Amino acid sequence: AQSVTQLGSHVSVSEGALVLLRCNYSSSVPPYLFWYVQYPNQGLQLLLKYTSAATLVKGINGFEAEFKKSETSFHLTKPSAHMSDAAEYFCAVTTGSGAGSYQLTFGKGTKLSVIP
Amino acid sequence: NAGVTQTPKFRILKIGQSMTLQCTQDMNHNYMYWYRQDPGMGLKLIYYSVGAGITDKGEVPNGYNVSRSTTEDFPLRLELAAPSQTSVYFCASSMGTDNNEQFFGPGTRLTVL
Repeated sequence: AQSVTQLGSHVSVSEGALVLLRCNYSSSVPPYLFWYVQYPNQGLQLLLKYTSAATLVKGINGFEAEFKKSETSFHLTKPSAHMSDAAEYFCAVTTGSGAGSYQLTFGKGTKLSVIP
Repeated sequence: NAGVTQTPKFRILKIGQSMTLQCTQDMNHNYMYWYRQDPGMGLKLIYYSVGAGITDKGEVPNGYNVSRSTTEDFPLRLELAAPSQTSVYFCASSMGTDNNEQFFGPGTRLTVL
């Protein structure tokens, strides 16, 4: 079984401040991890993904995430928040190959607000 | 490429009515998925398909049905709408490889009154 916990359903940061969105996973086998972003009234868009090639993953719009096996974490960061980053962010996990196991399990989401 | 398209964008149903949510992808993906999104709950998998003619239940399948007659289309059927099915529905597709990036449609907002 696999699961994802996102700490904080709502995070507020000032424009220009560091963005840190937390994600911890539970998986019995090596996971594949994803961060998606959802802008208001839109579908989900992939920000970045971890597929075991490198522990520090860079994504779009200046976001990056670091896979830490010892902490079972995959936190999302951005050095300087922009107003356009205001959205909801979802962490997701899958364990890859095998019948039915390409399914993604999503966290409950973290809504990011950016204060001017 | 249009990617994943969904129709309709919005719909209001009365209790007991039925409807089909349409989903089409033009990326030749074998895997397709239906999710529902409720506030504060993330996305829950309703049904998925690994190819034409093959479907399976996800986490919350009750009250829904699916079919997959072609690679491109994966419609979701609600037979007897209930207020608990008020939600935003997303269709997604993927190649079904280890990196399993899923591509999402814009969603259908359904209200059952």
